[in-house]
Amino acid sequence: NAGVTQTPKFQVLKTGQSMTLQCAQDMNHEYMSWYRQDPGMGLRLIHYSVGAGITDQGEVPNGYNVSRSTTEDFPLRLLSAAPSQTSVYFCASSSRTGVADTQYFGPGTRLTVL
Amino acid sequence: GDSVTQMEGPVTLSEEAFLTINCTYTATGYPSLFWYVQYPGEGLQLLLKATKADDKGSNKGFEATYRKETTSFHLEKGSVQVSDSAVYFCALTAGGFKTIFGAGTRLFVKA
Repeated sequence: NAGVTQTPKFQVLKTGQSMTLQCAQDMNHEYMSWYRQDPGMGLRLIHYSVGAGITDQGEVPNGYNVSRSTTEDFPLRLLSAAPSQTSVYFCASSSRTGVADTQYFGPGTRLTVL
Repeated sequence: GDSVTQMEGPVTLSEEAFLTINCTYTATGYPSLFWYVQYPGEGLQLLLKATKADDKGSNKGFEATYRKETTSFHLEKGSVQVSDSAVYFCALTAGGFKTIFGAGTRLFVKA
């Protein structure tokens, strides 16, 4: 049972490049989400999904796209990277929607945009 | 909207000292409250949680009590260890599945 996995662990991009951050979970969780972590700002929700085929925007969605074709996978796409997207990105999953439950986090992807 | 406010860090303590990290919240409805911990280079992991007023969450010597009258969920530990050095996040989930996080408090424990 690997839990939540994320790849890559580190990435450096140039302004304007695109890339996809991968996230997968093997716990059959319905709910998955992407956060970014910036110093002094805690975690901010980018996008989330309550099940396969269903996604919605969080607090800071601009510049990011997501899709959820399977229960297991929830990739995050940066369309045209900007220096403001330099951050640590965490994927999380949880087992229920509509009721508070524990979120399980991946180890994070540290992204630098030059 | 819903929000979480926690004390700014860093907090620096000597080993075996008493720890309090304050957390207050604003939410409509009846939120569930959480403390997550992040060790260096890792993702967040659940430390403890409480789902209704007056509940006490506890784990690894840490405790927090859900105080509805003061909208607070302060984290305490009687005797900290060097291994407790980490960043601690207070969080809530209210009326759904989205979790709101505080800014985090970094704790340093000196031997």
